[in-house]
Amino acid sequence: AQTVTQSQPEMSVQEAETVTLSCTYDTSESDYYLFWYKQPPSRQMILVIRQEAYKQQNATENRFSVNFQKAAKSFSLKISDSQLGDAAMYFCAYRSGVNDYKLSFGAGTTVTVRA
Amino acid sequence: NAGVMQNPRHLVRRRGQEARLRCSPMKGHSHVYWYRQLPEEGLKFMVYLQKENIIDESGMPKERFSAEFPKEGPSILRIQQVVRGDSAAYFCASSPTEQGIYGYTFGSGTRLTVV
Repeated sequence: AQTVTQSQPEMSVQEAETVTLSCTYDTSESDYYLFWYKQPPSRQMILVIRQEAYKQQNATENRFSVNFQKAAKSFSLKISDSQLGDAAMYFCAYRSGVNDYKLSFGAGTTVTVRA
Repeated sequence: NAGVMQNPRHLVRRRGQEARLRCSPMKGHSHVYWYRQLPEEGLKFMVYLQKENIIDESGMPKERFSAEFPKEGPSILRIQQVVRGDSAAYFCASSPTEQGIYGYTFGSGTRLTVV
């Protein structure tokens, strides 16, 4: 299984400010998918954003955007204009693009939003 | 269109008892995946099932764990003779195809506590 590393166990951000979560992964493949999932206290796993490795353009979903650096194997998530409802655990996940279905998750980053 | 439904949400079992976790996939989804989340960790793949077939159980412990997805009814993850180390959150995800390249839909999980 691929290794996904989230080096920040916790991050804190002021409401309306921006926070960036880091994620690196280890793979020898060229075709794969990357995801960020949000897990609020309700425990529901919510897909925030996805990125296909063959696309150079960084994915964006409203206030959420990624910085995908394929050569560096880096996939960071930026949350802009942070809101109280953004407080959650965020997981980075990797999925091979070649006939695979398993997701490999990082250990997660807990985001706290200060009012 | 209901999402992935898991029940029970919380389950407490004494050591040695059996735990049965249920998962009803989204309507139209015939592929089910079970993941386990230990405290302070990301989700780990356990098993992948299609209707009446186990496709990949490489992430599931060989002893005491079993899974099924019958033609009718929910998918069941069964843990026999539970031990304290089985305490975790168990998540089910579903997808309409095995590729799931758009990201799986997860349920809210079952938190199993073994006392």
